[in-house]
Amino acid sequence: GAVVSQHPSWVICKSGTSVKIECRSLDFQATTMFWYRQFPKQSLMLMATSNEGSKATYEQGVEKDKFLINHASLTLSTLTVTSAHPEDSSFYICSARSGRAGVGDTQYFGPGTRLTVL
Amino acid sequence: QQQVKQSPQSLIVQKGGISIINCAYENTAFDYFPWYQQFPGKGPALLIAIRPDVSEKKEGRFTISFNKSAKQFSLHIMDSQPGDSATYFCAVSTGGGNKLTFGTGTQLKVEL
Repeated sequence: GAVVSQHPSWVICKSGTSVKIECRSLDFQATTMFWYRQFPKQSLMLMATSNEGSKATYEQGVEKDKFLINHASLTLSTLTVTSAHPEDSSFYICSARSGRAGVGDTQYFGPGTRLTVL
Repeated sequence: QQQVKQSPQSLIVQKGGISIINCAYENTAFDYFPWYQQFPGKGPALLIAIRPDVSEKKEGRFTISFNKSAKQFSLHIMDSQPGDSATYFCAVSTGGGNKLTFGTGTQLKVEL
């Protein structure tokens, strides 16, 4: 149980285009989903927290107009990288948490999406 | 300000040996301390987690030791195997399941 999927697993796009990444919780309802970015040989950095049906909360320094997050249902969150540039090339990982805070503490991570912007 | 410091950056252990990775934190409000294992090109997977009301938790070959007064916790991998070669991240969280702040990671290599 507690499986999180991401699609696509990798994507290559041209500079200036937009890319959408999907994160799905397959066997549980995720009230909260998180989006992380990881550069090569570095740690995971939280970009934003999204709760189903409400606006995402972005971490300091993350451009909300560039990284659009939608959490339209309890099993799906999407991250859209708008007008992507080579510096946006990274490994994007989502995680999902079920239940209320204090209950169901575990975050289950997706397999990640490798974005390469040419 | 780095909220959690992880060491060492890299570690080489012989097969069958004990791997030890340490993390230290500053904010006493943190109340959830997980360890994640990540293989290249994959998302992190939860190994084991602890709350500050216990000093040790063991699951199979993996043990977390927690020192609340020192604000430190560590991961011990007993009988390390080549398949354990991966990057390990500690993390901290407040409020039970809220956003995680990750350590810088430790690249473990287990040699035959």
